[in-house]
Amino acid sequence: AQTVTQSQPEMSVQEAETVTLSCTYDTSESDYYLFWYKQPPSRQMILVIRQEAYKQQNATENRFSVNFQKAAKSFSLKISDSQLGDAAMYFCAYSTNAGKSTFGDGTTLTVKP
Amino acid sequence: DSGVTQTPKHLITATGQRVTLRCSPRSGDLSVYWYQQSLDQGLQFLIQYYNGEERAKGNILERFSAQQFPDLHSELNLSSLELGDSALYFCASSPGTPPGTDTQYFGPGTRLTVL
Repeated sequence: AQTVTQSQPEMSVQEAETVTLSCTYDTSESDYYLFWYKQPPSRQMILVIRQEAYKQQNATENRFSVNFQKAAKSFSLKISDSQLGDAAMYFCAYSTNAGKSTFGDGTTLTVKP
Repeated sequence: DSGVTQTPKHLITATGQRVTLRCSPRSGDLSVYWYQQSLDQGLQFLIQYYNGEERAKGNILERFSAQQFPDLHSELNLSSLELGDSALYFCASSPGTPPGTDTQYFGPGTRLTVL
């Protein structure tokens, strides 16, 4: 069974600084997809970034980038120039071609002004 | 706005009752996913449908069932409700080709409270 582990229940960062959220996963699949979702207090789930396992290049979306280490089964999210609006719970998720998704337990990010 | 709609927004019911949650996917999306999020916890994948067919199953209780209709909307039926079923239930949709590989767009969720 696939598992996703987010080892940091809570993280905090100063506004304008950089923070990295950790995620590791366990799978026997060779082809899969990884995602980071953001859940602000409104509880809406918002996609932050997506990574295809077959791509070696790390995905980037503006201030958000990932460090994807396939051999280590690690998928961390880096947020640069943190903004107050980045405060939220962040979920790492794994998905297979079969359609089953697994989410981590989340990391609550606090941004200090 | 993701384009995924869920009704109702809030639902309060009693133990032992049965409720139906409804989801309309984004226009053109063939896949629908259901998730359960209990208080301050991660999302638990329940079930996925692709173009009317069940495609993947997660930790869905036998008291729960779902279906996707020809117009692609989906319903999640929860029966013999227990206090522990109180949660936020999310529906997500994706284009679905192939299912599971593309980005899921989440609805706003249905907050179920079982008293």
